[in-house]
Amino acid sequence: GAGVSQSPSNKVTEKGKDVELRCDPISGHTALYWYRQSLGQGLEFLIYFQGNSAPDKSGLPSDRFSAERTGGSVSTLTIQRTQQEDSAVYLCASSSGQGPYEQYFGPGTRLTVT
Amino acid sequence: QKEVEQDPGPLSVPEGAIVSLNCTYSNSAFQYFMWYRQYSRKGPELLMYTYSSGNKEDGRFTAQVDKSSKYISLFIRDSQPSDSATYLCANSYGNNRLAFGKGNQVVVIP
Repeated sequence: GAGVSQSPSNKVTEKGKDVELRCDPISGHTALYWYRQSLGQGLEFLIYFQGNSAPDKSGLPSDRFSAERTGGSVSTLTIQRTQQEDSAVYLCASSSGQGPYEQYFGPGTRLTVT
Repeated sequence: QKEVEQDPGPLSVPEGAIVSLNCTYSNSAFQYFMWYRQYSRKGPELLMYTYSSGNKEDGRFTAQVDKSSKYISLFIRDSQPSDSATYLCANSYGNNRLAFGKGNQVVVIP
């Protein structure tokens, strides 16, 4: 079946602009996660959605970052007033919620802030 | 101190050699221990997971966890060029949030 998809695959933006990154999870998966992967920092948790529960936003690095999940499916990660340090690969994962070991990752969006 | 420490140095081995990777972690509350493989320009994919101390084998791969010393390892036997990738260890408290190490880039030379 179809895996997790993310768009765009690459995004180049100017410092100060807002960007939106999209994630389409595997159909039927109730849990959705956003991570950020940057050189020197590895993969860092950003935010986690589970069903209709309030999201776990504990990993968001600043209030410039926000995410929403509409209808329990598609999610959008928004970064406002982008900074050069936001340059990274943003990865989305989804799972059926049975356990932390079965997160399926998308290919990521490579964000470059110039 | 990061929750999961993984020496990110690259590793080059000849085909057929044993690859040995390891991580340490700081929080004894971690319940699940995972290894992911990530090819260039792709998302990570789960290789193996375990939730107890000891060894777990899957084909050429062995995951080892020592909870008393907070140490996890991955061994790849009879390494192949197709094993060339970045390997990431990850731990979880059980609330589904994962804490990752920085990853080891492995190159298997034919």
